Amino acid sequence: DSGVTQTPKHLITATGQRVTLRCSPRSGDLSVYWYQQSLDQGLQFLIQYYNGEERAKGNILERFSAQQFPDLHSELNLSSLELGDSALYFCASSEGPGGSYEQYFGPGTRLTVT
Amino acid sequence: AQSVTQLDSQVPVFEEAPVELRCNYSSSVSVYLFWYVQYPNQGLQLLLKYLSGSTLVKGINGFEAEFNKSQTSFHLRKPSVHISDTAEYFCAVSLRQAGTALIFGKGTTLSVSS
Repeated sequence: DSGVTQTPKHLITATGQRVTLRCSPRSGDLSVYWYQQSLDQGLQFLIQYYNGEERAKGNILERFSAQQFPDLHSELNLSSLELGDSALYFCASSEGPGGSYEQYFGPGTRLTVT
Repeated sequence: AQSVTQLDSQVPVFEEAPVELRCNYSSSVSVYLFWYVQYPNQGLQLLLKYLSGSTLVKGINGFEAEFNKSQTSFHLRKPSVHISDTAEYFCAVSLRQAGTALIFGKGTTLSVSS
């Protein structure tokens, strides 16, 4: 158990809909990352927050957005969903914002868009 | 831009045999190097990391990796594998600066049979 929790574990929704994925980082970790894992794209970095502020952006679509709240939990919002958005979405947390800090991964949320 | 290439998508081996999973990276700046393991239906777990110092890094579960700067490689090795090592292995890099995330390779599936 990494200490990172993600809800829900599974999500099935229809095209055009909007969903919210939630992540609670390990106690004491200030940095939260979101990654998308799909068969064709592999593991791709979406976005990073550190202590409530956006720190880095990766291959995140404009239809997707995220935020980190004062209690440090984070939410990833996916809107106007398409079939290609079906993937496993991981949240990871680390103590600091830099690349040397170990990232601890949650179990993921499997999103299926039908 | 940085990239990570895992040269083998699948590696089948017999139990107690040695294994090497190959990883090459491309970057114009210095990076940190990581190997993660993903067991079925689970999140990613850090096996080992190279930040600086000795180029031979030892990790959990008997794995080790060697950083070779001239060949830009970070191959993962284990002298004797077990059935329980069957999993997906990911090589990743991050930049030596704040506000960066992990860039992953496509992964190598290690299948250990008896």
